[in-house]
Amino acid sequence: AQSVAQPEDQVNVAEGNPLTVKCTYSVSGNPYLFWYVQYPNRGLQFLLKYITGDNLVKGSYGFEAEFNKSQTSFHLKKPSALVSDSALYFCAVKREYGNKLVFGAGTILRVKS
Amino acid sequence: DSGVTQTPKHLITATGQRVTLRCSPRSGDLSVYWYQQSLDQGLQFLIQYYNGEERAKGNILERFSAQQFPDLHSELNLSSLELGDSALYFCASSVDSGRPSTIYFGEGSWLTVV
Repeated sequence: AQSVAQPEDQVNVAEGNPLTVKCTYSVSGNPYLFWYVQYPNRGLQFLLKYITGDNLVKGSYGFEAEFNKSQTSFHLKKPSALVSDSALYFCAVKREYGNKLVFGAGTILRVKS
Repeated sequence: DSGVTQTPKHLITATGQRVTLRCSPRSGDLSVYWYQQSLDQGLQFLIQYYNGEERAKGNILERFSAQQFPDLHSELNLSSLELGDSALYFCASSVDSGRPSTIYFGEGSWLTVV
């Protein structure tokens, strides 16, 4: 079975500072890893994914994530946070050739001006 | 706009009733997924269909059922509703099934059971 842990319920960062939202995963075989963002009263929006290749993945809105196989982590990062980045962020994992996308509990990101 | 369309956006119904949630996947997507989002359970995978056939099952209650029609739209049927079924129900779609294609989510259907 696969699982995702997002150890921080909430991350607070000042506007302009770098941000990191942590994610670790557990899955048998090679993982497919995803980040989604959810704004209030909205659906989940896809940010980026890691399938294979370069461990640093770039996505939408200036976000990137780094895959670390030895630490089974896939942390989301952004060099300079914006107030508009404030939202709920979900990490998700899918087993290679699997069907089910399993989500973490989510991390609230608050960016203060 | 992800291209996944869900109706209705909001629904209020009484305990014991039955409701149907509808989903139109993105054009060209063959897989449809249903997820339930609640405060206590988080995002839970319910079920997946691929080109009309059930492909994977998650934490879906026996009171719930789904199907995918030949035109690829899907419906999630929730019956004998309980207060605890109040949640945001997401439909999502992707091009294929076991491959690493991106899964795109709709805006969700808010269900309130009173």
